[in-house]
Amino acid sequence: SQTIHQWPATLVQPVGSPLSLECTVEGTSNPNLYWYRQAAGRGLQLLFYSVGIGQISSEVPQNLSASRPQDRQFILSSKKLLLSDSGFYLCAWSTGSGNQPQHFGDGTRLSIL
Amino acid sequence: KQEVTQIPAALSVPEGENLVLNCSFTDSAIYNLQWFRQDPGKGLTSLLLIQSSQREQTSGRLNASLDKSSGRSTLYIAASQPGDSATYLCAVPRVPIQGAQKLVFGQGTRLTINP
Repeated sequence: SQTIHQWPATLVQPVGSPLSLECTVEGTSNPNLYWYRQAAGRGLQLLFYSVGIGQISSEVPQNLSASRPQDRQFILSSKKLLLSDSGFYLCAWSTGSGNQPQHFGDGTRLSIL
Repeated sequence: KQEVTQIPAALSVPEGENLVLNCSFTDSAIYNLQWFRQDPGKGLTSLLLIQSSQREQTSGRLNASLDKSSGRSTLYIAASQPGDSATYLCAVPRVPIQGAQKLVFGQGTRLTINP
């Protein structure tokens, strides 16, 4: 069966520090991968998605970037964090065939001080 | 631009009741609609995905219906239990789907089942 892992579960970082959140999927090949952010009092917003290694699409202009160095690995990064980057970050995957459910990880709670 | 709305934002009912959660969307040209459950501080758990060609989808005590023409979906929960307490979210992918599904989410309904 397929599983998705995100780490760390929680992270407290000072403003201006770098960020690296990691997501890996097991039990499937060539998945579509997604990063979402859930800010307090706001809905889920799609940040990035990827349909293959090295292929990244950004949905909103922001201080963050994403990379996919391996088929089942998706990384969310920042060089310098802003206060507005605080939130709950969720990684998800779906099969590449389309019209299939998305499955989410347990998320990373990021607090910027 | 697709917009998804869930009303009410919060719902509290006694244990054992049957209940209905609502989801509406502005663009009826959808491929599917997915219902999720989110427990506090946790990720999303996929409950049901209903294809655009389907009218209903069932899983245990859950039943999702879809009426594309009216832009509505409902999630019916039978014989509610305290363990059903969570936030329920619905989402539809933006069209056209080109490989990846870019989901548009509603704000969710926070459900509390009282023992």
